[in-house]
Amino acid sequence: GENVEQHPSTLSVQEGDSAVIKCTYSDSASNYFPWYKQELGKGPQLIIDIRSNVGEKKDQRIAVTLNKTAKHFSLHITETQPEDSAVYFCAASKVDSNYQLIWGAGTKLIIKP
Amino acid sequence: SAVISQKPSRDICQRGTSLTIQCQVDSQVTMMFWYRQQPGQSLTLIATANQGSEATYESGFVIDKFPISRPNLTFSTLTVSNMSPEDSSIYLCSVATGGSETQYFGPGTRLLVL
Repeated sequence: GENVEQHPSTLSVQEGDSAVIKCTYSDSASNYFPWYKQELGKGPQLIIDIRSNVGEKKDQRIAVTLNKTAKHFSLHITETQPEDSAVYFCAASKVDSNYQLIWGAGTKLIIKP
Repeated sequence: SAVISQKPSRDICQRGTSLTIQCQVDSQVTMMFWYRQQPGQSLTLIATANQGSEATYESGFVIDKFPISRPNLTFSTLTVSNMSPEDSSIYLCSVATGGSETQYFGPGTRLLVL
């Protein structure tokens, strides 16, 4: 079945620097790739998503890139701020999966002041 | 995106008892899902709550342990039955709507079983 691997498990960056989190998926039929941010004590919040017909999407300081050939996608956060500290999850799904998401293991992002 | 609420937000329960978690959405949605998230872990899908019919359970989850209701397009409940300490987790409701695969999550219910 589909598998999504996420790296690193923990990422510590200096405030103002960039952070990159990478995910690799196994099923080449996957065509939807969301990223979620989960703060302590809260539910996951969708921050950006990308579909397989585009290679990159940006929303202010956040961007996602997709390489379908290599079957990996990445989250890029620029000019990191303390409020970016959270756990980030990637996921993947495909058209005939009845909306089911396959989740990565999560990355704990720590922004050092 | 839909506004999703869950009740209770947290609870401490004794082993052997049951807890029913409610998920309410402020608009009609196509799909509703229930997840479990154990401490420090990723999300695991328990089941898809189907309106007007039985839920569809994932491998490792059974209806007797996690009965689910979905009486309409804005509300669902998940019951955690005959609880043991291993059931201590965050339980999350999510929804998808309008033919989109995008899921939005509720705030979660934090359950501790003693």
